[in-house]
Amino acid sequence: EVQLLESGGGLVQPGGSLRLSCAASGFTFSSHAMTWVRQAPGKGLEWVSGISGSGGSAYYADSVKGRFTISRDNSKNTLYLQMNSLRAEDTGIYYCAKDANSGSYFDYWGQGILVTVSS
Amino acid sequence: AIRMTQSPSSFSASTGDKVTITCRASQGITNYLAWYQQKPGKAPKLLIYAASTLQSGVPSRFSGSGSGTDFTLTISCLQSEDFATYYCQQYYSYPFTFGPGTKVDIK
Repeated sequence: EVQLLESGGGLVQPGGSLRLSCAASGFTFSSHAMTWVRQAPGKGLEWVSGISGSGGSAYYADSVKGRFTISRDNSKNTLYLQMNSLRAEDTGIYYCAKDANSGSYFDYWGQGILVTVSS
Repeated sequence: AIRMTQSPSSFSASTGDKVTITCRASQGITNYLAWYQQKPGKAPKLLIYAASTLQSGVPSRFSGSGSGTDFTLTISCLQSEDFATYYCQQYYSYPFTFGPGTKVDIK
């Protein structure tokens, strides 16, 4: 059974940093691209970042480029999102999701983790 | 970035109704389109990929069609568990983008 478990969320001040983790199990982690998607309170889904199975290629939404860094440790079956220079508009639930193929749709999602950026 | 739009943004329907949601891409994406269902407080769930392929385990009352820039999600006979918000997503090119969502609630 595929499982994705996010951790590392919480309250942070504007300008601060936070690192999210997503522990994966139930599939061959290194064979699948992975993705972060977020959802501001009461709003729709926003694709944030994606990374290839090897970790060699990473992609970002314009809204986070230069501030967020996606990475993965295939030996630990874990996906990360390092978030720096956080802004109030980064507040929301962050989901990690498994790509069905290399850079495609998302067939499994974690339960999400809340990030709140506020002073 | 490719911009995705959906219509309507919300509507009310009754159990047993046939409903259709439209998604449009700002440029051609062939069939690189997925549909998701999200219920309040829950993670999204994949319904359809490649514009018309039903994800395993998804009821056959859900169907998708379209290619290029115009796509539709149809629910042939709305059930109580289908009241939710539906999102389309293009995976033709990075950055991937979602539509703004269509909320289906009970009439």
